Order: sequence, then C-alpha cells, then structure tokens
Amino acid sequence: AQSVTQPDIHITVSEGASLELRCNYSYGATPYLFWYVQSPGQGLQLLLKYFSGDTLVQGIKGFEAEFKRSQSSFNLRKPSVHWSDAAEYFCAVAGPGGGNKLTFGTGTQLKVEL
Amino acid sequence: DGGITQSPKYLFRKEGQNVTLSCEQNLNHDAMYWYRQDPGQGLRLIYYSQIVNDFQKGDIAEGYSVSREKKESFPLTVTSAQKNPTAFYLCASSSRQDTQYFGPGTRLTVL
Repeated sequence: AQSVTQPDIHITVSEGASLELRCNYSYGATPYLFWYVQSPGQGLQLLLKYFSGDTLVQGIKGFEAEFKRSQSSFNLRKPSVHWSDAAEYFCAVAGPGGGNKLTFGTGTQLKVEL
Repeated sequence: DGGITQSPKYLFRKEGQNVTLSCEQNLNHDAMYWYRQDPGQGLRLIYYSQIVNDFQKGDIAEGYSVSREKKESFPLTVTSAQKNPTAFYLCASSSRQDTQYFGPGTRLTVL
C-alpha cells in the first residue's frame, strides 16, 4: 500500500528566509506526486505536481519541488518566504493513472515570523 | 466561472439524524471524490466515483452513502451510523487519470 510521511508537523521560519518542507513516500513503482496548500477553513489548492520527466518541478507562488527516486522524497522548497505563505501544506501520492487513489500525508503547518 | 462548489459551508447535526452535503462541479470532470479531514490526520478518502451511476468505497466508507446520478453532482449523506461525524468534508473532482481539484469544504458539527 502506498503511504506518505511528512516528518515535520510544525515549522516556523522568518519572512525572507528559505523554506524546505519534507515529504517521503512509499510506493512500489514510479508515483504521481503532488503538493497542496490549505489556508484555515478553506479547500486545498494545488501548488505543483510531478508525473514524469524533469525531476525539478516548478509550481505557483514561487514554489518548486524535486523528485529524488533514490531517497523516495519529494521535498518542497521556496527561496524566500512571504508572510502570506503561512498555511498548512500537504504532500500526496497516487499510482500511475493519476488521482483515483490519492494518499495524503498528515500535513506540515507553516508559521511565518515577521 | 468554472469550479467546485460545496454547500452548506457550516452544518449542524443532532445525534441520530442523517444529513446530506452537496458537491457540484462545472469542470466537465468525470471523476469525483469525498474526503474527510480531521486535525493531525490529513485527508482520508470516503467514496469516489469515476463515472455516472458508479462509485466505490474509499478507506473510511462506513456510516456514509453517496449517489452519482448526474455528472455534475456527487452528494454525500452522513448517516446516523457514523459515530463520530464531526469533521471538515472536502469534495474534489478530476478528469480521468489527472489532478484532483478541491472545493471549499463543509464543516459538520454534531450537537
């Protein structure tokens, strides 16, 4: 069965600092990988996705993620965090064929200090 | 303006009552999904439907029911058999084999 681990429940960074959110997955073949962001009381917004090809993926709001097969990781990065980035971030994995069985991590809550 | 709508935004249920959460999409997506979100547990799949008049149980289907009579609509009923229904419910849709897009959610509280 596929699974996703986000080892950091909470992360606090200063505005302007760089950010890396960790995501490790377990899946027997090449997965489809996603990062979503959720503001309080809202739905999830897609930041970026990896299906195949270039392992460095660019997303919206200046985010990027790198797929590393050898480490089973798909970490999310941003070079300079803005106060509006404070939210909860979810990593998710699906088998080939896309989103029919999307498995989510438990999320990382990001706090940005001004 | 394309998207996914969920209603109501807030819903209160008395113990023993069934309640129905609405999910509508105008994205012409074939597949629709219902997730439950609890603090610290991420999202868990309740039911999904890949095509009209067909749906499958997800990981936590007990105490819930769905229907898919129209492509645009995928209502979720929380029955009295669901012992702990207080949660945030999210609906999503996707084209076949593609990314899921989410609605704004419904917060259900049991009184």
